[in-house]
Amino acid sequence: AQSVTQLGSHVSVSEGALVLLRCNYSSSVPPYLFWYVQYPNQGLQLLLKYTSAATLVKGINGFEAEFKKSETSFHLTKPSAHMSDAAEYFCAVSALGGAQKLVFGQGTRLTINP
Amino acid sequence: EAEVAQSPRYKITEKSQAVAFWCDPISGHATLYWYRQILGQGPELLVQFQDESVVDDSQLPKDRFSAERLKGVDSTLKIQPAELGDSAMYLCASSRATGTGGYGYTFGSGTRLTVV
Repeated sequence: AQSVTQLGSHVSVSEGALVLLRCNYSSSVPPYLFWYVQYPNQGLQLLLKYTSAATLVKGINGFEAEFKKSETSFHLTKPSAHMSDAAEYFCAVSALGGAQKLVFGQGTRLTINP
Repeated sequence: EAEVAQSPRYKITEKSQAVAFWCDPISGHATLYWYRQILGQGPELLVQFQDESVVDDSQLPKDRFSAERLKGVDSTLKIQPAELGDSAMYLCASSRATGTGGYGYTFGSGTRLTVV
């Protein structure tokens, strides 16, 4: 079984500051890991994904995440926050192969202060 | 860019009434998912289809919820009767792989249901 824990339901940073959103996963098999972003009353948009290739994954809008197996983590970062980054962010895990569902964390709301 | 279409975008219904949501996945995507997202929480899978067959409906409240994908293309999710606790965003997603296969899903914009 897979599960995801997102540390911090709400993160607030200043515009131009580093963004760090934390995600720890639990999986009995090698995982696929994903970060999604959701704007109000919208669906989820894929930011990036880890699929057992490079451990440092670059995504859209300047975001990246690093898979650390020893820490069972997949934290999302962006060097310089922009006002448009304000949204809800979800980390998700799935098992490799087969008809496996995505299991989501509870989400982290990112607020950007001017 | 291809999109997953969902309708309606918003639905207000009275308790005990029936309500239905529609989803049209990206062409060629064999796998279709319905998720429910309660406000302030992450999405939770309700049902997963592979073509027209149900792969996983273990979290679907079958006494009131039903889902179908008759021709393996578009899908309908129904609630009858609706309860106050069903108020949520209902998200449809599709994938061209069996499971995620590393491709991830493409989500629709969702249907926001309010039960009054």
